[in-house]
Amino acid sequence: KAGVTQTPRYLIKTRGQQVTLSCSPISGHRSVSWYQQTPGQGLQFLFEYFSETQRNKGNFPGRFSGRQFSNSRSEMNVSTLELGDSALYLCASSQTRGYNEQFFGPGTRLTVL
Amino acid sequence: AQTVTQSQPEMSVQEAETVTLSCTYDTSESDYYLFWYKQPPSRQMILVIRQEAYKQQNATENRFSVNFQKAAKSFSLKISDSQLGDAAMYFCAKTQETSGSRLTFGEGTQLTVNP
Repeated sequence: KAGVTQTPRYLIKTRGQQVTLSCSPISGHRSVSWYQQTPGQGLQFLFEYFSETQRNKGNFPGRFSGRQFSNSRSEMNVSTLELGDSALYLCASSQTRGYNEQFFGPGTRLTVL
Repeated sequence: AQTVTQSQPEMSVQEAETVTLSCTYDTSESDYYLFWYKQPPSRQMILVIRQEAYKQQNATENRFSVNFQKAAKSFSLKISDSQLGDAAMYFCAKTQETSGSRLTFGEGTQLTVNP
């Protein structure tokens, strides 16, 4: 089985712009979670999607949003980018909700100038 | 808020030796999962081992094993016969109450393996 894929792998944007990141889960996995990783804050949970519905949301401003499609692929969007949004964004998938192993993608490195 | 703490920012070990990475956590739950993830320089997070809190037996996966002390809320990772490929950042993680899919991560421990 192919692993979790994320596109693009690298992205450079300027302040004020918006960005959309994509995540394709492992085939058959229906839950997708997003995490932000920064040197200062570490790994922080953004949100989780299951069956096209957001099930859980972390403590991030409304500029961060996401969605999930019927094929379980997910996108996250960040509007009005700030310098502090520079981070590695990781997507993880699992078969279903609950206490399941999560498999991570390689991440998207976002740099905001 | 739940917390996961890794008190060792950096550790080093000689090749073929054994090293133990520490992790403690805060929770009021009785049922949860704990994980150790490895993140090499490629930044790909790789699941190393997991432990279900209701199981008293410590999980083992080849050269990796855990010492799970539920009452003490401690979850350490032991790596035996360390190999150069074990060098990475290691993260301890815990499922969060009301959402098993949401993980809370520790700060990470950077492991160096010396030849």
